[in-house]
Amino acid sequence: DAMVIQNPRYQVTQFGKPVTLSCSQTLNHNVMYWYQQKSSQAPKLLFHYYDKDFNNEADTPDNFQSRRPNTSFCFLDIRSPGLGDAAMYLCATSRAPDTYTDTQYFGPGTRLTVL
Amino acid sequence: AQSVTQPDIHITVSEGASLELRCNYSYGATPYLFWYVQSPGQGLQLLLKYFSGDTLVQGIKGFEAEFKRSQSSFNLRKPSVHWSDAAEYFCAVYGNTPLVFGKGTRLSVIA
Repeated sequence: DAMVIQNPRYQVTQFGKPVTLSCSQTLNHNVMYWYQQKSSQAPKLLFHYYDKDFNNEADTPDNFQSRRPNTSFCFLDIRSPGLGDAAMYLCATSRAPDTYTDTQYFGPGTRLTVL
Repeated sequence: AQSVTQPDIHITVSEGASLELRCNYSYGATPYLFWYVQSPGQGLQLLLKYFSGDTLVQGIKGFEAEFKRSQSSFNLRKPSVHWSDAAEYFCAVYGNTPLVFGKGTRLSVIA
């Protein structure tokens, strides 16, 4: 019954070694979001896709990229992870980007550790 | 841009006691307000949301929240807390930018 699935749940990488986090959804939603949540902080939106249209938040570092090859899957690529990128990464989906009308459904998150 | 403040980082209540989690927002126009819950190892789940109309909103799991424009608040309440309610609670606001979350309030429930 899982609707938003994130793999892996825990990821360990080395400083500077590229890493990819995966998100898939069975809801057939148009929009997929990636959030970064550092310890004891609020989730922070990195970017989102509305279908194939990519929308980057202004303060998202260039080190973070995303791909959405089809409706069901979305990937978060961190090209050169730094120690400051250690966080929980949350994927979410909604039918449309106007969140005041549509609920966002969240996955369980991937906790990234950078050594 | 909008912002959200959750003044309480951590709250502990006894099982069966009532609960109120505070949320204050900053936004010039009518905001759209949400409460999410995050259990350990889980993603965020929507408890309830306010768009317009009745200022007292009912949600899942027996939670309710009241929108008070004069106080810029959207506090979450539950009359009787269960041990399974122990989790992190996030208030969020949508205004003219994508959803903005507060830093969360961690709820502990003791017997």
